Amino acid sequence: NAGVTQTPKFQVLKTGQSMTLQCAQDMNHEYMSWYRQDPGMGLRLIHYSVGAGITDQGEVPNGYNVSRSTTEDFPLRLLSAAPSQTSVYFCASIGTRNYGYTFGSGTRLTVV
Amino acid sequence: SQQGEEDPQALSIQEGENATMNCSYKTSINNLQWYRQNSGRGLVHLILIRSNEREKHSGRLRVTLDTSKKSSSLLITASRAADTASYFCATDDSSYKLIFGSGTRLLVRP
Repeated sequence: NAGVTQTPKFQVLKTGQSMTLQCAQDMNHEYMSWYRQDPGMGLRLIHYSVGAGITDQGEVPNGYNVSRSTTEDFPLRLLSAAPSQTSVYFCASIGTRNYGYTFGSGTRLTVV
Repeated sequence: SQQGEEDPQALSIQEGENATMNCSYKTSINNLQWYRQNSGRGLVHLILIRSNEREKHSGRLRVTLDTSKKSSSLLITASRAADTASYFCATDDSSYKLIFGSGTRLLVRP
């Protein structure tokens, strides 16, 4: 089925470890973004990309890196995990502004 | 800081009643969108209203937008238990950055 696929669904990291959250879409969408959702905080934008090779920072970019080498993939890298990065992470994509964004099912990350 | 703030934070109604949620935002927008999130799941797009529109309908959903007051409302008519979820407004300021509010938790009692 067409959509946004996130892996893994769950992950536990130790403080200081690094990891990559994967996001892939098969809808040929140009725009992709990463959000984190904390209890009672809604979603906050981490990084976004308006096309292959172009990325920019959102509201809370510190501690995260992204790259966009292809239209389909937009991985999010945690450089040195901290307990404050415990959250649920969502990837989203959109083709044109006339429609809403398509979200992945999320990655629940716990940093201990 | 978040662009949209929603009111109320939580709402509990009886099945069959109408539910109204409000969203306020701070800056100019290209469009405003509403999303639903069931517990533990991803977000699902409900409806999008452009800055030059004042009202839009989709099934049991009615959205209004007042750009002079920088506010929007989402009305769900004849609510059902399956409508129990969190509802978020999100604004697009033409940069493709979608900024979310903190959400309204809706409980529809059977």
